[in-house]
Amino acid sequence: QQPVQSPQAVILREGEDAVINCSSSKALYSVHWYRQKHGEAPVFLMILLKGGEQKGHEKISASFNEKKQQSSLYLTASQLSYSGTYFCGTESKTSYDKVIFGPGTSLSVIP
Amino acid sequence: DGGITQSPKYLFRKEGQNVTLSCEQNLNHDAMYWYRQDPGQGLRLIYYSQIVNDFQKGDIAEGYSVSREKKESFPLTVTSAQKNPTAFYLCASSTTPPGAAMGLGTGELFFGEGSRLTVL
Repeated sequence: QQPVQSPQAVILREGEDAVINCSSSKALYSVHWYRQKHGEAPVFLMILLKGGEQKGHEKISASFNEKKQQSSLYLTASQLSYSGTYFCGTESKTSYDKVIFGPGTSLSVIP
Repeated sequence: DGGITQSPKYLFRKEGQNVTLSCEQNLNHDAMYWYRQDPGQGLRLIYYSQIVNDFQKGDIAEGYSVSREKKESFPLTVTSAQKNPTAFYLCASSTTPPGAAMGLGTGELFFGEGSRLTVL
């Protein structure tokens, strides 16, 4: 089952912060985050393997709440280059050999 | 340079024709995947393979077929049975993530540049 992402779309001014949420109805083994720019392939941001894990990638970080089967991606002091569609991908504990992606969150950063 | 190569980048097909999309990787990854992308629906898994000569259906396998005769190659055939094949197709490969228990799970997915299929 596809994870749910919210919001569907967000518009930010440069320097503003944003949070993208991802939730699943299944017990999760891992959560992946990717960013895709228009017409390009998705690019890996990070994987979270353990409940409570937090990771950072420049000014982009994420957390994984295993009990709630949720993950959040935090973008701080957004830059124009952060624009794109963000996808979370989840592996369930009963099927940890494939990543199922959410529908994506479109993020636009404007000057 | 290591990576994933998909071809062709653009493909036009007449209704009723089968077409094959190529995917080759030189990353020495065991696992390979095919995803389909439609606007507003994210990436949906078609087929995946963890090892040579073995593959599994994903969520939307109907109308598609694959083979995995070599570690480097995972071609996807879109058959005439696929009712709505116009889409962007992405191939990916991965290895197990560092720190994973018992070496399980999917690591970073390395994607190809995609193949855009249009049915005329």
